[in-house]
Amino acid sequence: QQQVKQSPQSLIVQKGGISIINCAYENTAFDYFPWYQQFPGKGPALLIAIRPDVSEKKEGRFTISFNKSAKQFSLHIMDSQPGDSATYFCAARGNYGGSQGNLIFGKGTKLSVKP
Amino acid sequence: NAGVTQTPKFRILKIGQSMTLQCAQDMNHNYMYWYRQDPGMGLKLIYYSVGAGITDKGEVPNGYNVSRSTTEDFPLRLELAAPSQTSVYFCASRDGTGGYEQFFGPGTRLTVL
Repeated sequence: QQQVKQSPQSLIVQKGGISIINCAYENTAFDYFPWYQQFPGKGPALLIAIRPDVSEKKEGRFTISFNKSAKQFSLHIMDSQPGDSATYFCAARGNYGGSQGNLIFGKGTKLSVKP
Repeated sequence: NAGVTQTPKFRILKIGQSMTLQCAQDMNHNYMYWYRQDPGMGLKLIYYSVGAGITDKGEVPNGYNVSRSTTEDFPLRLELAAPSQTSVYFCASRDGTGGYEQFFGPGTRLTVL
């Protein structure tokens, strides 16, 4: 399967709260899992990424948790701020014949952080 | 560095018309990509290129064509526009050595009526 399933579709969080977005995949030949952040009217930009040999990666308020056995990974945004309001995409890079290392994206999560 | 630039920002086409979406990057990246983004559907890969003169189909190539005559430019051609091609189109690029980060342009919003 060459899919990345992302949930929830939308998320509303109070300022200061924790935002959690989840992704699941089937293909074990993925070798790189990035999260992209997209503000309205802009192109996506890389937020944080992880490789499958690491279970967690933290950059500031943003953390990726990776569960290889469950084929799941998630983005945690601590102390969420109104400026974090954006659409977040998870993705996975294929490392199998014919994939050319291309990214497969989840459908996105629209996060709104209320002041 | 301007990064990845796309023109035009917006365009309205009539059914059956043709147009070319322009994409350029000044980072000397080998890899370039075209995606379309539809509401609630994420980003779908249309075409990609691993270097000048080399292009290949992505997940949703029907109705589109590309060329890559230089490292910098990767235009996307729509022939015989259809309402199903109404979307936001993003071009992206990445360095072929080292990391996998893709750098995206600001997008072109296309409406076909």
